[in-house]
Amino acid sequence: NAGVTQTPKFQVLKTGQSMTLQCAQDMNHNSMYWYRQDPGMGLRLIYYSASEGTTDKGEVPNGYNVSRLNKREFSLRLESAAPSQTSVYFCASTTGTGGSGANVLTFGAGSRLTVL
Amino acid sequence: DAKTTQPTSMDCAEGRAANLPCNHSTISGNEYVYWYRQIHSQGPQYIIHGLKNNETNEMASLIITEDRKSSTLILPHATLRDTAVYYCIVRARLTGGGNKLTFGTGTQLKVEL
Repeated sequence: NAGVTQTPKFQVLKTGQSMTLQCAQDMNHNSMYWYRQDPGMGLRLIYYSASEGTTDKGEVPNGYNVSRLNKREFSLRLESAAPSQTSVYFCASTTGTGGSGANVLTFGAGSRLTVL
Repeated sequence: DAKTTQPTSMDCAEGRAANLPCNHSTISGNEYVYWYRQIHSQGPQYIIHGLKNNETNEMASLIITEDRKSSTLILPHATLRDTAVYYCIVRARLTGGGNKLTFGTGTQLKVEL
């Protein structure tokens, strides 16, 4: 049982390049999330998907797009990368079906992105 | 969501109990207290949550005051591997649909020999 898998683990981009971070979960979770974490800061929510077919903006959505490809997969795309997007990106998932357990998130190991 | 306040950092001797406080004086009656931790460079990990009763699992204990305005996460026998940032989050249970958990800057716990 892999949980939440993120690829790639590391990526270096030049300003203006595009790339997609992939996230997949095998826990049959309904809700999925993308967070970013900058040095010395807490996690900030970029986008989330409450259920398959829906996506919503989080706290810092500018410069990103997302796709909930199916129930398992939730991708994050940077169309034109900027140095300010240098960060560690975490994907997470949860049942999302209600109850206190719906706030129990399982996180991936992170994707470290550097934009030069 | 209720705002939480945590100390920036704490130290603990290995083998001793680590008591991490969290203040959530504006918590609503339907909001739970959740604790996560993040070991350096890894994704956050869920620890425990509770509503008003004290809770215990294999990782930790959660003590919530009777007025629910504060709580304490207890690691009974801290080890070096417990060195991490600990996040206290207050959030209502869902009735359906997605949720947005907000992670602050947490408490950096350093366990030392």
